[in-house]
Amino acid sequence: NAGVMQNPRHLVRRRGQEARLRCSPMKGHSHVYWYRQLPEEGLKFMVYLQKENIIDESGMPKERFSAEFPKEGPSILRIQQVVRGDSAAYFCASSPLDPALQETQYFGPGTRLLVL
Amino acid sequence: LAKTTQPISMDSYEGQEVNITCSHNNIATNDYITWYQQFPSQGPRFIIQGYKTKVTNEVASLFIPADRKSSTLSLPRVSLSDTAVYYCLVGETSSNTGKLIFGQGTTLQVKP
Repeated sequence: NAGVMQNPRHLVRRRGQEARLRCSPMKGHSHVYWYRQLPEEGLKFMVYLQKENIIDESGMPKERFSAEFPKEGPSILRIQQVVRGDSAAYFCASSPLDPALQETQYFGPGTRLLVL
Repeated sequence: LAKTTQPISMDSYEGQEVNITCSHNNIATNDYITWYQQFPSQGPRFIIQGYKTKVTNEVASLFIPADRKSSTLSLPRVSLSDTAVYYCLVGETSSNTGKLIFGQGTTLQVKP
């Protein structure tokens, strides 16, 4: 059973460009979470999605950031007009059950975004 | 929202037992305590989870006192490959979103 997959693993963008990060959850998992890790810091929650629904986006910056988890295909984290401060590692996690049941989240390897 | 406090860093030597203690004074009745491990350039990996008393698996043990205001992750006979950041988390259940709140974690350095 393949784990959580993220691509690309590394992404370089110039200021003002768009970044698209993809996440395929583990087979059978319908809950997806995105976290951001700035250099030398811990992970920060960004958004929680189920298929076709955003459940909690309390950690998402108000502008330029958006996320989706369509009925078919991977979850996408989209960053428009990137700035240098967006440089970070972005991790996706998935879980199979209701998160209120405290089920473990399984993390992907991350996408490292570098904005020049 | 339960906040966790753990040492920023710890050093150990190969073969020693390492105990990392985490404080969570405001833990809620329904909250579990979960520990994750993160190697450089990788995503966090689940180590162990518990609610009370003691939990043991093939990787570690987790000790939780009766008041649940703290917990201790115990790694037996560490090796160089156990060098990583260890995060103590308490699940946020108030909103039923399941989002994980990561602190700074404890950077464990195992020396030969």
